[in-house]
Amino acid sequence: NAGVTQTPKFQVLKTGQSMTLQCAQDMNHEYMSWYRQDPGMGLRLIHYSVGAGITDQGEVPNGYNVSRSTTEDFPLRLLSAAPSQTSVYFCASSLLAGSSYNEQFFGPGTRLTVL
Amino acid sequence: GDSVTQMEGPVTLSEEAFLTINCTYTATGYPSLFWYVQYPGEGLQLLLKATKADDKGSNKGFEATYRKETTSFHLEKGSVQVSDSAVYFCASYASGGSYIPTFGRGTSLIVHP
Repeated sequence: NAGVTQTPKFQVLKTGQSMTLQCAQDMNHEYMSWYRQDPGMGLRLIHYSVGAGITDQGEVPNGYNVSRSTTEDFPLRLLSAAPSQTSVYFCASSLLAGSSYNEQFFGPGTRLTVL
Repeated sequence: GDSVTQMEGPVTLSEEAFLTINCTYTATGYPSLFWYVQYPGEGLQLLLKATKADDKGSNKGFEATYRKETTSFHLEKGSVQVSDSAVYFCASYASGGSYIPTFGRGTSLIVHP
């Protein structure tokens, strides 16, 4: 199992550009989520999904869109990048039932800089 | 709502020192409790967990006991190594069908040789 994979690992954007951060998992997890990590702020939840076709907003959803067309993939879209979106982004997944349910598996992160 | 409070860091120790990182939670019901570790440049990974009161989670020499009476889940290690330098996150996961874990803000540990 590859676990949770994220691409790209690093990205530099100019203000106003758009891009998609990719996230995929091969563990058949129902739950997937996106966090951003900023110094002194811990992890902040952006969006999450409990299955294909179902998404919802987290704590800081503004400026980000998501979709979940398959169980495996959960891309995060920045429609018009702003310097305030400079951060490290983590994708996570987990089961919603079973002995290891709610144990979060994290990807390696995408480090995004917006100039 | 649910919350997790961790001691602020950084915690700076010499190698072989004893480590305690405090974590307290507020939650309705009986949450599951977790410690995650984030090594430099990596994502978080599960370190240990406990799912009910008085359970002790342990892994890699780290331990934490689920204390319902004090709503705490403090992380301890008897003798830290330089390789333990990382950021440690305490998290809770409420019972009753909640999908979203609650994370503390993280505590940075720096271990000097």
